[in-house]
Amino acid sequence: QQQVKQSPQSLIVQKGGISIINCAYENTAFDYFPWYQQFPGKGPALLIAIRPDVSEKKEGRFTISFNKSAKQFSLHIMDSQPGDSATYFCAASMQGGSEKLVFGKGTKLTVNP
Amino acid sequence: EAQVTQNPRYLITVTGKKLTVTCSQNMNHEYMSWYRQDPGLGLRQIYYSMNVEVTDKGDVPEGYKVSRKEKRNFPLILESPSPNQTSLYFCASRDPGQGGKQYFGPGTRLTVT
Repeated sequence: QQQVKQSPQSLIVQKGGISIINCAYENTAFDYFPWYQQFPGKGPALLIAIRPDVSEKKEGRFTISFNKSAKQFSLHIMDSQPGDSATYFCAASMQGGSEKLVFGKGTKLTVNP
Repeated sequence: EAQVTQNPRYLITVTGKKLTVTCSQNMNHEYMSWYRQDPGLGLRQIYYSMNVEVTDKGDVPEGYKVSRKEKRNFPLILESPSPNQTSLYFCASRDPGQGGKQYFGPGTRLTVT
């Protein structure tokens, strides 16, 4: 049973556009929602993360929007650049008492110049 | 330089031949994890450890063993590898507590024939 559903599977955006990736979760016990960025041949790297007590978190061009009632969260990449082309994974965990981390299946983002 | 190292980076082996993938971190992190990444399935957690001598199962532990005898090392053991364990494996570590940033290793590509 997939606990975190991510969409779309792939996304093509023009340079300067907004990239939006969505995730939905089922387990209301999740309390930590990170996003990871992975370039080909590399391990994932933490991009930005949010907790359910806030509805939005922004770091530079990257913003997480969180909707607790809908059990959804999304990543927005403003002014997308070709260097943002990578695979993005959302994830969820219950950090209070466990190190279990559940990932979405990933979104391959291509930003055309 | 803060890093997670894995060895070997590439391994081709045959069914049933026991192998170990090593993982080491130099950040004195308490938490360590192993993931496998497969096309279309994203990252799935195999095992995690929250301290020396403390390990627990992730979502896909079957066919794998781990040990945590020292804080810095967290080897992944495949006692009798099978072709369905052909995958890209990542080790990761982080500090405990909320918001501890997780660091991933560079990955080990394993092929079992």
